[in-house]
Amino acid sequence: ETGVTQTPRHLVMGMTNKKSLKCEQHLGHNAMYWYKQSAKKPLELMFVYSLEERVENNSVPSRFSPECPNSSHLFLHLHTLQPEDSALYLCASSQVLGSAPGGVSVHEQYFGPGTRLTVT
Amino acid sequence: GQNIDQPTEMTATEGAIVQINCTYQTSGFNGLFWYQQHAGEAPTFLSYNVLDGLEEKGRFSSFLSRSKGYSYLLLKELQMKDSASYLCAVREKSGGYQKVTFGTGTKLQVIP
Repeated sequence: ETGVTQTPRHLVMGMTNKKSLKCEQHLGHNAMYWYKQSAKKPLELMFVYSLEERVENNSVPSRFSPECPNSSHLFLHLHTLQPEDSALYLCASSQVLGSAPGGVSVHEQYFGPGTRLTVT
Repeated sequence: GQNIDQPTEMTATEGAIVQINCTYQTSGFNGLFWYQQHAGEAPTFLSYNVLDGLEEKGRFSSFLSRSKGYSYLLLKELQMKDSASYLCAVREKSGGYQKVTFGTGTKLQVIP
Protein backbone atom coordinates (compact mmCIF):
# COMPACT_ATOMS: atom_id res chain seq x y z
CA GLU A 1 0.00 0.00 0.00
CA THR A 2 1.79 3.14 -1.22
CA GLY A 3 -0.83 5.74 -0.29
CA VAL A 4 -1.88 6.17 -3.93
CA THR A 5 -5.08 4.49 -5.09
CA GLN A 6 -6.42 4.09 -8.60
CA THR A 7 -9.82 3.03 -9.91
CA PRO A 8 -10.80 1.05 -11.79
CA ARG A 9 -8.05 -1.57 -11.71
CA HIS A 10 -9.18 -3.04 -15.02
CA LEU A 11 -11.12 -1.43 -17.86
CA VAL A 12 -12.26 -2.72 -21.22
CA MET A 13 -13.73 -0.15 -23.56
CA GLY A 14 -14.73 0.19 -27.17
CA MET A 15 -13.24 2.82 -29.43
CA THR A 16 -16.37 4.97 -29.27
CA ASN A 17 -16.74 4.92 -25.48
CA LYS A 18 -15.94 7.64 -22.98
CA LYS A 19 -14.49 6.64 -19.62
CA SER A 20 -12.44 8.18 -16.84
CA LEU A 21 -9.59 6.90 -14.70
CA LYS A 22 -9.34 8.16 -11.15
CA CYS A 23 -6.32 8.56 -8.89
CA GLU A 24 -6.21 9.67 -5.27
CA GLN A 25 -3.16 10.22 -3.07
CA HIS A 26 -3.24 10.26 0.73
CA LEU A 27 0.35 11.39 1.24
CA GLY A 28 -0.02 15.17 1.29
CA HIS A 29 2.03 15.51 -1.87
CA ASN A 30 1.67 18.49 -4.18
CA ALA A 31 2.51 16.94 -7.56
CA MET A 32 0.74 14.17 -9.45
CA TYR A 33 1.63 12.31 -12.65
CA TRP A 34 0.08 10.07 -15.29
CA TYR A 35 2.31 7.44 -16.93
CA LYS A 36 1.63 4.88 -19.65
CA GLN A 37 3.39 1.52 -19.43
CA SER A 38 3.33 -0.75 -22.47
CA ALA A 39 5.03 -4.11 -22.83
CA LYS A 40 8.78 -3.86 -23.48
CA LYS A 41 8.70 -0.05 -23.47
CA PRO A 42 9.81 2.35 -20.76
CA LEU A 43 7.35 4.17 -18.57
CA GLU A 44 6.12 7.10 -20.64
CA LEU A 45 5.30 10.31 -18.83
CA MET A 46 1.97 11.71 -20.07
CA PHE A 47 1.02 14.56 -17.77
CA VAL A 48 2.36 16.32 -14.69
CA TYR A 49 0.44 18.53 -12.32
CA SER A 50 2.41 20.54 -9.81
CA LEU A 51 0.48 22.57 -7.25
CA GLU A 52 -2.67 21.76 -9.27
CA GLU A 53 -1.33 23.38 -12.43
CA ARG A 54 -0.35 21.35 -15.47
CA VAL A 55 3.35 21.82 -16.10
CA GLU A 56 4.11 19.00 -18.51
CA ASN A 57 2.21 17.53 -21.41
CA ASN A 58 4.42 15.13 -23.29
CA SER A 59 2.74 15.51 -26.70
CA VAL A 60 -0.12 13.26 -25.69
CA PRO A 61 -3.02 12.91 -28.16
CA SER A 62 -6.09 14.96 -27.34
CA ARG A 63 -8.16 11.80 -26.85
CA PHE A 64 -6.51 11.78 -23.39
CA SER A 65 -7.65 14.67 -21.21
CA PRO A 66 -6.36 15.13 -17.65
CA GLU A 67 -8.09 16.92 -14.81
CA CYS A 68 -6.68 17.85 -11.42
CA PRO A 69 -9.39 19.40 -9.23
CA ASN A 70 -7.18 19.51 -6.14
CA SER A 71 -3.80 18.28 -4.96
CA SER A 72 -5.18 14.90 -3.87
CA HIS A 73 -7.14 13.90 -6.95
CA LEU A 74 -6.22 13.33 -10.57
CA PHE A 75 -8.39 12.10 -13.43
CA LEU A 76 -7.66 10.93 -16.94
CA HIS A 77 -10.65 11.27 -19.26
CA LEU A 78 -10.62 8.93 -22.24
CA HIS A 79 -12.58 9.21 -25.48
CA THR A 80 -12.39 7.65 -28.93
CA LEU A 81 -9.33 5.62 -28.01
CA GLN A 82 -7.41 3.36 -30.38
CA PRO A 83 -6.38 -0.28 -29.80
CA GLU A 84 -2.74 0.86 -29.48
CA ASP A 85 -3.76 2.81 -26.37
CA SER A 86 -4.19 -0.49 -24.53
CA ALA A 87 -1.65 -0.41 -21.70
CA LEU A 88 -1.17 -0.07 -17.96
CA TYR A 89 -1.86 3.50 -16.84
CA LEU A 90 -0.02 4.44 -13.68
CA CYS A 91 -0.62 7.41 -11.45
CA ALA A 92 2.13 8.72 -9.17
CA SER A 93 2.61 11.52 -6.68
CA SER A 94 5.59 13.26 -5.17
CA GLN A 95 6.51 16.28 -3.16
CA VAL A 96 7.69 19.28 -5.18
CA LEU A 97 9.75 21.95 -3.53
CA GLY A 98 9.67 25.52 -4.77
CA SER A 99 7.49 28.54 -4.57
CA ALA A 100 5.94 28.36 -8.03
CA PRO A 101 4.36 25.66 -10.17
CA GLY A 102 7.06 23.73 -11.91
CA GLY A 103 9.41 23.87 -8.94
CA VAL A 104 12.10 21.34 -8.31
CA SER A 105 11.03 17.80 -7.57
CA VAL A 106 13.56 16.37 -5.16
CA HIS A 107 11.67 13.42 -3.77
CA GLU A 108 10.85 10.01 -5.13
CA GLN A 109 7.52 9.24 -6.72
CA TYR A 110 4.95 6.96 -5.16
CA PHE A 111 2.97 4.94 -7.67
CA GLY A 112 -0.56 3.63 -7.59
CA PRO A 113 -1.35 0.04 -8.64
CA GLY A 114 -2.39 1.12 -12.12
CA THR A 115 -5.38 0.63 -14.39
CA ARG A 116 -5.04 -2.12 -16.98
CA LEU A 117 -6.83 -0.66 -20.03
CA THR A 118 -7.90 -2.72 -23.03
CA VAL A 119 -9.37 -0.96 -26.05
CA THR A 120 -11.36 -3.20 -28.35
CA GLY B 1 15.91 14.59 -24.28
CA GLN B 2 17.99 11.71 -23.04
CA ASN B 3 18.96 8.11 -23.60
CA ILE B 4 18.89 5.48 -20.84
CA ASP B 5 20.26 1.97 -21.36
CA GLN B 6 19.87 -1.07 -19.15
CA PRO B 7 20.17 -4.78 -19.89
CA THR B 8 16.82 -6.31 -20.74
CA GLU B 9 17.12 -9.43 -18.63
CA MET B 10 19.44 -10.99 -16.06
CA THR B 11 19.46 -14.26 -14.14
CA ALA B 12 21.19 -14.83 -10.81
CA THR B 13 21.28 -17.49 -8.12
CA GLU B 14 19.69 -17.23 -4.71
CA GLY B 15 22.23 -16.04 -2.13
CA ALA B 16 24.51 -14.52 -4.76
CA ILE B 17 25.27 -10.89 -5.66
CA VAL B 18 24.05 -9.23 -8.85
CA GLN B 19 24.91 -5.87 -10.38
CA ILE B 20 22.45 -4.13 -12.72
CA ASN B 21 24.00 -1.39 -14.82
CA CYS B 22 22.44 1.75 -16.22
CA THR B 23 24.03 4.24 -18.58
CA TYR B 24 22.51 7.54 -19.55
CA GLN B 25 23.10 10.60 -21.69
CA THR B 26 21.54 13.87 -20.65
CA SER B 27 22.41 17.54 -20.72
CA GLY B 28 20.84 18.57 -17.44
CA PHE B 29 21.42 15.67 -15.05
CA ASN B 30 20.02 16.19 -11.59
CA GLY B 31 19.69 12.81 -9.95
CA LEU B 32 19.12 9.13 -10.61
CA PHE B 33 16.52 6.82 -9.09
CA TRP B 34 16.18 3.06 -8.95
CA TYR B 35 12.73 1.49 -8.66
CA GLN B 36 11.65 -2.12 -8.23
CA GLN B 37 8.55 -3.39 -10.02
CA HIS B 38 7.13 -6.85 -9.41
CA ALA B 39 5.00 -8.30 -12.18
CA GLY B 40 1.53 -6.80 -12.14
CA GLU B 41 2.42 -4.28 -9.45
CA ALA B 42 3.38 -0.63 -9.24
CA PRO B 43 7.02 0.49 -9.17
CA THR B 44 8.39 1.15 -5.67
CA PHE B 45 11.30 3.42 -4.82
CA LEU B 46 14.62 1.79 -3.92
CA SER B 47 17.34 4.42 -4.01
CA TYR B 48 18.39 7.88 -5.11
CA ASN B 49 21.84 9.20 -6.10
CA VAL B 50 22.71 12.75 -7.02
CA LEU B 51 26.41 12.84 -6.03
CA ASP B 52 29.13 10.44 -7.12
CA GLY B 53 29.62 7.41 -4.94
CA LEU B 54 27.86 4.55 -3.29
CA GLU B 55 24.62 4.71 -1.33
CA GLU B 56 23.95 1.64 0.79
CA LYS B 57 20.56 0.56 2.06
CA GLY B 58 20.54 -2.89 3.60
CA ARG B 59 21.02 -5.54 0.92
CA PHE B 60 20.72 -2.93 -1.83
CA SER B 61 23.37 -0.40 -2.87
CA SER B 62 23.42 2.08 -5.72
CA PHE B 63 26.45 3.73 -7.28
CA LEU B 64 26.73 6.81 -9.46
CA SER B 65 29.46 8.27 -11.65
CA ARG B 66 28.25 11.50 -13.20
CA SER B 67 31.34 11.96 -15.39
CA LYS B 68 30.75 8.54 -16.95
CA GLY B 69 26.96 8.76 -17.11
CA TYR B 70 26.83 5.47 -15.27
CA SER B 71 25.03 3.92 -12.34
CA TYR B 72 24.59 0.44 -10.98
CA LEU B 73 22.28 -1.23 -8.51
CA LEU B 74 23.90 -3.94 -6.41
CA LEU B 75 21.75 -6.60 -4.78
CA LYS B 76 23.43 -8.82 -2.18
CA GLU B 77 22.28 -12.10 -0.62
CA LEU B 78 19.69 -12.51 -3.32
CA GLN B 79 16.29 -13.86 -2.32
CA MET B 80 13.60 -15.37 -4.53
CA LYS B 81 11.38 -12.36 -3.81
CA ASP B 82 13.97 -10.13 -5.52
CA SER B 83 12.75 -11.48 -8.87
CA ALA B 84 11.33 -8.31 -10.43
CA SER B 85 12.06 -5.58 -12.95
CA TYR B 86 14.47 -2.88 -11.87
CA LEU B 87 13.93 0.53 -13.41
CA CYS B 88 16.61 3.18 -13.72
CA ALA B 89 15.19 6.72 -13.91
CA VAL B 90 17.11 9.92 -14.56
CA ARG B 91 15.98 13.34 -13.48
CA GLU B 92 16.98 16.26 -15.64
CA LYS B 93 16.18 19.92 -15.78
CA SER B 94 13.78 20.64 -18.62
CA GLY B 95 13.01 24.33 -18.88
CA GLY B 96 11.88 25.42 -15.43
CA TYR B 97 10.85 21.93 -14.45
CA GLN B 98 12.78 18.82 -13.46
CA LYS B 99 11.39 15.81 -15.29
CA VAL B 100 12.09 12.14 -14.64
CA THR B 101 12.65 9.74 -17.55
CA PHE B 102 12.59 5.98 -17.07
CA GLY B 103 14.65 3.27 -18.76
CA THR B 104 12.99 0.11 -20.09
CA GLY B 105 13.91 -1.80 -16.95
CA THR B 106 15.94 -4.94 -16.29
CA LYS B 107 13.98 -8.09 -15.57
CA LEU B 108 15.85 -10.06 -12.93
CA GLN B 109 15.12 -13.72 -12.37
CA VAL B 110 16.47 -15.29 -9.20
CA ILE B 111 16.83 -19.05 -9.42
CA PRO B 112 17.37 -21.57 -6.59
